[in-house]
Amino acid sequence: QSVLTQPPSVSGAPGQRVTISCTGSSSNIGAGYDVHWYQQLPGTAPKLLIYGNSNRPSGVPDRFSGSKSGTSASLAITGLQAEDEADYYCQSYDSSLSGPGYVFGTGTKVTVL
Amino acid sequence: EVQLVESGGGLVQPGGSLRLSCAASGFTFSSYEMNWVRQAPGKGLEWVSYISSSGSTIYYADSVKGRFTISRDNAKNSLYLQMNSLRAEDTAVYYCARATSWARGYYFDYWGQGTLVTVSS
Repeated sequence: QSVLTQPPSVSGAPGQRVTISCTGSSSNIGAGYDVHWYQQLPGTAPKLLIYGNSNRPSGVPDRFSGSKSGTSASLAITGLQAEDEADYYCQSYDSSLSGPGYVFGTGTKVTVL
Repeated sequence: EVQLVESGGGLVQPGGSLRLSCAASGFTFSSYEMNWVRQAPGKGLEWVSYISSSGSTIYYADSVKGRFTISRDNAKNSLYLQMNSLRAEDTAVYYCARATSWARGYYFDYWGQGTLVTVSS
């Protein structure tokens, strides 16, 4: 069960800036746990995009950026490109869950107009 | 180069069993926690199971507890998921994913290409 809520879809024209929100609660993002983001291109496996709220793994373009505030986090894509059309998921830790406490967001489909 | 390659998926009848494997290479497998994450057709990501680097600590999602068993063989650099009493709702692409510890929690830094499990009569 996803406890991180994302908008189902966002869209933008090439070159524009889009943002994806990830809304949690006091047992996950609001408790200070970090947020990580994944990009899933059509028909492929998820790929780590942002870790620790705002850090980019090697090879991820700097047009992708992440931030966190309160009980929410955001992923921004500036200079939107056609190859950015994909599904995006946030992930964090939730202290109310048993085990390792992993929780994923509901996912957002980004469409490039 | 880190590689995770899953195998073992396929079509199985409800109530049947299947064993998934994940072959790891390009890193010290015995040093990392590993997980299985699944994605039902057209749906989001769902964590399924976790195993510590030594195999001594294991967790399952409530949806699979008592039916699935995760294991690993560090000598063979391999991760496994034994799935019993399969249900239609277990139909999904199953990914193995490496977990890396972060300041507060973990993130999944490498994923396999996935293997499709279809439960249907």
